[in-house]
Amino acid sequence: GAGVSQSPSNKVTEKGKDVELRCDPISGHTALYWYRQSLGQGLEFLIYFQGNSAPDKSGLPSDRFSAERTGGSVSTLTIQRTQQEDSAVYLCASSPQSGGVYGYTFGSGTRLTVV
Amino acid sequence: DAKTTQPNSMESNEEEPVHLPCNHSTISGTDYIHWYRQLPSQGPEYVIHGLTSNVNNRMASLAIAEDRKSSTLILHRATLRDAAVYYCILSASGTYKYIFGTGTRLKVLA
Repeated sequence: GAGVSQSPSNKVTEKGKDVELRCDPISGHTALYWYRQSLGQGLEFLIYFQGNSAPDKSGLPSDRFSAERTGGSVSTLTIQRTQQEDSAVYLCASSPQSGGVYGYTFGSGTRLTVV
Repeated sequence: DAKTTQPNSMESNEEEPVHLPCNHSTISGTDYIHWYRQLPSQGPEYVIHGLTSNVNNRMASLAIAEDRKSSTLILHRATLRDAAVYYCILSASGTYKYIFGTGTRLKVLA
């Protein structure tokens, strides 16, 4: 596609429920990143995928958070037993390769509200 | 990761140039300087990046100090659509993890 696509754009869920957030990166981009942005805050790194390498999960805030990337393309971020502090905008980005010289293209994000 | 420091907010009049500063005194020789901006209710978008030399593109110019300890993003003629949060980020070649600060919120006055 022309850009990074995320779905759903908005999600309201009850505390304790599981949610899945989807990211379709730009075709051919081998690197994929998840960030989250709480209200009025900067972006917080969550996880990074590069090709077939093991992902860097160092930013995941707890074991309730997990992510996978199937076939080197689509990625799903799963949050189990959601808590109110999980409310945020979850942003996905992709880039042609990893490395500091390559810019990211971000999606518009999924706004998650836990009630 | 090297840290960047930016003012929390700035204001500019429409049609005037805007200079957004960024300090990065602990920058290393392999760190690239990236600028992104985030419009309301959108993900960040790439603006420009550079290593040592000044850079120009259709969106902006990036002026990098000779010692590389600071840089300035220049919007040549601000428009209302340039109102956004501007992030200055350092990333080393071969690394991938951008560390975003809180950025500078630019307000453009009509």
